Amino acid sequence: DQQVKQNSPSLSVQEGRISILNCDYTNSMFDYFLWYKKYPAEGPTFLISISSIKDKNEDGRFTVFLNKSAKHLSLHIVPSQPGDSAVYFCAASAPGNQFYFGTGTSLTVIP
Amino acid sequence: DAGVIQSPRHEVTEMGQEVTLRCKPISGHNSLFWYRQTMMRGLELLIYFNNNVPIDDSGMPEDRFSAKMPNASFSTLKIQPSEPRDSAVYFCASSLFAGVGEKLFFGSGTQLSVL
Repeated sequence: DQQVKQNSPSLSVQEGRISILNCDYTNSMFDYFLWYKKYPAEGPTFLISISSIKDKNEDGRFTVFLNKSAKHLSLHIVPSQPGDSAVYFCAASAPGNQFYFGTGTSLTVIP
Repeated sequence: DAGVIQSPRHEVTEMGQEVTLRCKPISGHNSLFWYRQTMMRGLELLIYFNNNVPIDDSGMPEDRFSAKMPNASFSTLKIQPSEPRDSAVYFCASSLFAGVGEKLFFGSGTQLSVL
């Protein structure tokens, strides 16, 4: 009954290349989505968000794309840097409701 | 400004013992959340409070788990009795309010190991 799914537990990318992290959701009522980044022994920290009225939001090297019809969002990191190596969590919420998180994708950027 | 502060960072206990996790939210934040991180389920919401009042505790696994927020600057999550399957990282998070568009600020977590 996982409402937010991150089907790739891990991803390895060469430094300088693009990292693409994917997230799927099942609840069509979700209208706000976030990505969090987590380093070992630290709590997750907010990275970027997007509301359902948009299909793209960009912040520096990070871009989130939302495909509502497919109930899919993705996080693009370009160019990838070794410091981007972390676990990335996708989260979604419906109006007035809690956030549902995915299981996370561990990104390794190889120098 | 200090962020969300959790204690202890690590807790090792034996099955059947009581465990209490503590959280101090960011000053001025009105909502507090307790999450549990496991490999299988990712970050699961256990319970959240608005203005110190529990709003949704449907994620609390069973009666062995309880949470309190006696004031705006302190919350506890208690497990009694603890079991090995409770072993996980427990995160506390706070936000200005629980609503769309509000970001959560997480503490560093408590790594709980129940032997």
